[in-house]
Amino acid sequence: GIQVEQSPPDLILQEGANSTLRCNFSDSVNNLQWFHQNPWGQLINLFYIPSGTKQNGRLSATTDATERYSLLYISSSQTTDSGVYFCAVVAYNTDKLIFGTGTRLQVFP
Amino acid sequence: DTAVSQTPKYLVTQMGNDKSIKCEQNLGHDTMYWYKQDSKKFLKIMFSYNNKELIINETVPNRFSPKSPDKAHLNLHINSLELGDSAVYFCASSHRQGMNTGELFFGEGSRLTVL
Repeated sequence: GIQVEQSPPDLILQEGANSTLRCNFSDSVNNLQWFHQNPWGQLINLFYIPSGTKQNGRLSATTDATERYSLLYISSSQTTDSGVYFCAVVAYNTDKLIFGTGTRLQVFP
Repeated sequence: DTAVSQTPKYLVTQMGNDKSIKCEQNLGHDTMYWYKQDSKKFLKIMFSYNNKELIINETVPNRFSPKSPDKAHLNLHINSLELGDSAVYFCASSHRQGMNTGELFFGEGSRLTVL
């Protein structure tokens, strides 16, 4: 099945810093989503981005479907950005959203 | 006006018991899912239903049985609970767009603890 790798596994930042999270996947996809799991365990949808670039406030994402990777940019990080960021994909001819192992982000004041 | 809601949010029970988790979505989606998140935070798909029909059934013990009475509901029943079943179970839904699954939306999770 498709493999989804996220890097880095852990990231510690000071408030105000910028960061880039990466997601590599091993096969063509027709769905790619980024989620934030907050410290209370809720999975928050950030982006639905099988290709192209999107922005939402301080967050933006870009997916290169040909090179099989996606990037999530967090600018001017805040303590509320802390949590685990997951990338998840659906390979063509499957119906399964497969999750990566996540990037744990801690933002300190 | 919660989009995907699960009950209960917390469940503590003894080994050997049978328990159910309920899920309802009011998004008008036609596909619903159950995911399991283990203690290492890894999220794995268990089941998926499309218009009340089972379309994904991963390698899950037979003690787990999903039931979809209608498109808006997908329940998970677990028999003879074991210690290893302790996890957070997430329900999700999406609207199929042709061959694509569409964007998935998740409930808040149900934390199951088996003693």
